Amino acid sequence: DVKVTQSSRYLVKRTGEKVFLECVQDMDHENMFWYRQDPGLGLRLIYFSYDVKMKEKGDIPEGYSVSREKKERFSLILESASTNQTSMYLCASSLTQGSGYTFGSGTRLTVV
Amino acid sequence: DQQVKQNSPSLSVQEGRISILNCDYTNSMFDYFLWYKKYPAEGPTFLISISSIKDKNEDGRFTVFLNKSAKHLSLHIVPSQPGDSAVYFCAASAHQGAQKLVFGQGTRLTINP
Repeated sequence: DVKVTQSSRYLVKRTGEKVFLECVQDMDHENMFWYRQDPGLGLRLIYFSYDVKMKEKGDIPEGYSVSREKKERFSLILESASTNQTSMYLCASSLTQGSGYTFGSGTRLTVV
Repeated sequence: DQQVKQNSPSLSVQEGRISILNCDYTNSMFDYFLWYKKYPAEGPTFLISISSIKDKNEDGRFTVFLNKSAKHLSLHIVPSQPGDSAVYFCAASAHQGAQKLVFGQGTRLTINP
């Protein structure tokens, strides 16, 4: 089974902190994605990457950056955490369109 | 601008009956549609998909219907089981490259015994 592993299930950070969310996949997928899930808004794309060192902005990239130094790892960085970034963050990877995405279990981030 | 819309935030169905979840989209460039299921504290899991060249795809108890002229798709679950209680997300994509998916807001399905 494809596994997408997010390093933390729950995180509490202070306003202004720099936050790193890590995601690792073990199936040699080319494409990786970061979404956030908020009630009533569904899943919104923050950033995605279709190759090592490549990144593309999604629909809500403001306040975030990403890093993909290795194929299996895609990191989301909150440069200066704010309370409106309190959310569930979901990482996903995909190989082909026909297989859809495989998601990690999510990281519930609370910024206080 | 919500390109994929699930207008029912919640749905309650009796066990054994049919559950029908609906999804509308606005972007006529979407050519691939998927449904995901999400339990609390877990990531979404892929359920079923359909390409725009088809109007129906079936997998066991799950069937997805696509009406391109109406820009509407639906997920039918029959018979509904208690384990189907979850949040269901509709998603669509328009590009082959990065397969970027656009998700709807989700519908919480509750199956009552």
